[in-house]
Amino acid sequence: AQKVTQAQTEISVVEKEDVTLDCVYETRDTTYYLFWYKQPPSGELVFLIRRNSFDEQNEISGRYSWNFQKSTSSFNFTITASQVVDSAVYFCALSGSTNAGKSTFGDGTTLTVKP
Amino acid sequence: ETGVTQSPTHLIKTRGQQVTLRCSSQSGHNTVSWYQQALGQGPQFIFQYYREEENGRGNFPPRFSGLQFPNYSSELNVNALELDDSALYLCASSFRAQQETQYFGPGTRLLVL
Repeated sequence: AQKVTQAQTEISVVEKEDVTLDCVYETRDTTYYLFWYKQPPSGELVFLIRRNSFDEQNEISGRYSWNFQKSTSSFNFTITASQVVDSAVYFCALSGSTNAGKSTFGDGTTLTVKP
Repeated sequence: ETGVTQSPTHLIKTRGQQVTLRCSSQSGHNTVSWYQQALGQGPQFIFQYYREEENGRGNFPPRFSGLQFPNYSSELNVNALELDDSALYLCASSFRAQQETQYFGPGTRLLVL
């Protein structure tokens, strides 16, 4: 069975602070995919990144960066110099090669960025 | 390129009724997945359709059923609604060869009274 744990239920920061959202996963698949999504109050899940299990290279996209560590089964997400518009619920998700596109989601981390 | 669309946006039903939710996949996508998101939780996989056939199902009872049409749009049907069915229902589309990246629609908020 697959499992995704986002231990941080809520995080509150002041604008311009850096913030890291944690994600720990469990899977028996040797090939799998990890994702981060952003869900603003409107409800739509916005795709942020996908990472393959065989590619442990960290990635940076503007103020966003992702740290994938297979040894600790973690895929953490850092927002640098946070902005009020970053306020949303962020979900980490896992899709295995045997699951035909089925994704297992964590329960999300609610990020509030205060001005 | 047209994104994933869903209708209706909001819906109120009473217990025991039946409901149909609709989803149009993103242009070029042939796979549609449905998710249920209860308040304060992450989305839960209901089922996936690929080329008009069910291609994987989560832990949901048979009263949750679906269809996919030749144009790859899809419907989610829920019979005998229960109060716990109140949730945001999300549709996601993807292209089979790159099925792991799904793009989500805005969802349908269902309230069962």
